[in-house]
Amino acid sequence: GESVGLHLPTLSVQEGDNSIINCAYSNSASDYFIWYKQESGKGPQFIIDIRSNMDKRQGQRVTVLLNKTVKHLSLQIAATQPGDSAVYFCAEKSTGNTPLVFGKGTRLSVIA
Amino acid sequence: DSGVTQTPKHLITATGQRVTLRCSPRSGDLSVYWYQQSLDQGLQFLIQYYNGEERAKGNILERFSAQQFPDLHSELNLSSLELGDSALYFCASSPRPSQDYGYTFGSGTRLTVV
Repeated sequence: GESVGLHLPTLSVQEGDNSIINCAYSNSASDYFIWYKQESGKGPQFIIDIRSNMDKRQGQRVTVLLNKTVKHLSLQIAATQPGDSAVYFCAEKSTGNTPLVFGKGTRLSVIA
Repeated sequence: DSGVTQTPKHLITATGQRVTLRCSPRSGDLSVYWYQQSLDQGLQFLIQYYNGEERAKGNILERFSAQQFPDLHSELNLSSLELGDSALYFCASSPRPSQDYGYTFGSGTRLTVV
């Protein structure tokens, strides 16, 4: 299928294992963060978000952790499935009329 | 279907030409954003419109322009195209720019300049 063809770091995970994808953000003023999933040939899809007054948020099979001290964000995917194979982007935003700024992305490859 | 519609899906054109990419935001969203995704740059913010007015500009080239119409659809115009303009162009929308909402993305337009 169509691929964005980005030269990205790749994480290979066995099906059923947990995945952890990391992101270092740059702007200390950022106070809203989102993880997006991009499958081949599709646009980025919202997974989960977190505001800076929280350090952890859980969704269905996903958890986002935020460490503001070191400006680090992580996405944990439990029981990784083949359908989780995609490129994952973190995005950051500061309060007000500022657009989302995206990180470079990580390609997750699930081994069946 | 995300609710954000982009046309065309694919576009092949020659250097020096001009193209127009179209975006219809999700129903109820007033803000539209354009992003460029190329091989070595990831998702780069180009420009944002809110309720018909330009609200923010990123690293958008002078050869590129955009507008948002009264019905809230937006067009991105790319002129004097160069080989390096080949990329995926995404449109996204959100209810309002100042609130913390995730953007909803369309499926993109793949532009190939030959």
